[in-house]
Amino acid sequence: RKEVEQDPGPFNVPEGATVAFNCTYSNSASQSFFWYRQDCRKEPKLLMSVYSSGNEDGRFTAQLNRASQYISLLIRDSKLSDSATYLCVVTRNTGKLIFGQGTTLQVKP
Amino acid sequence: GAVVSQHPSRVICKSGTSVKIECRSLDFQATTMFWYRQFPKQSLMLMATSNEGSKATYEQGVEKDKFLINHASLTLSTLTVTSAHPEDSSFYICSAADRSYGYTFGSGTRLTVV
Repeated sequence: RKEVEQDPGPFNVPEGATVAFNCTYSNSASQSFFWYRQDCRKEPKLLMSVYSSGNEDGRFTAQLNRASQYISLLIRDSKLSDSATYLCVVTRNTGKLIFGQGTTLQVKP
Repeated sequence: GAVVSQHPSRVICKSGTSVKIECRSLDFQATTMFWYRQFPKQSLMLMATSNEGSKATYEQGVEKDKFLINHASLTLSTLTVTSAHPEDSSFYICSAADRSYGYTFGSGTRLTVV
């Protein structure tokens, strides 16, 4: 079983739609949680950190449920520029980043 | 913000040759550097962790004699793919960890072995 699991998609949505991505992690000792965005053939870029209290950054909302070992990302009012692969990332207590496979989002006009 | 410069961005080499990839932290000191590999449509897989001045720690299944990592200074870490084969063709990315900036990624190196 992979340490971080995501539905690879692709998710094809129209502009303006709301889309949600989910992620589960297997290591209960995981310490920090992030969503990264990766465009084709580029390095991943930090989208936002994820906290149990939930956090929101504009159209993006992330949530962590430690009991269920579940992380979510909600994107509201999707834009064409949101098309990318979204990577769920957790850290081990060693500081290593462990990446999920990524979920591909394609926003269409 | 923190910047990690990774070179080359793209390299094509012949089977059996070695390729060196460099990652430099430009405006901070990277005591720890992580090296990842990403195959098409797959996630980034951690290969090894290097700490300045000490031997790298390799993940299970990664051959340390094939993927040589050197982290001789606080601003430079190198990954050398020795005796490269076509199956080593991949996207290699470094990431520097810093207490102030968190994790900063290099722009990646696309290696093609022919």
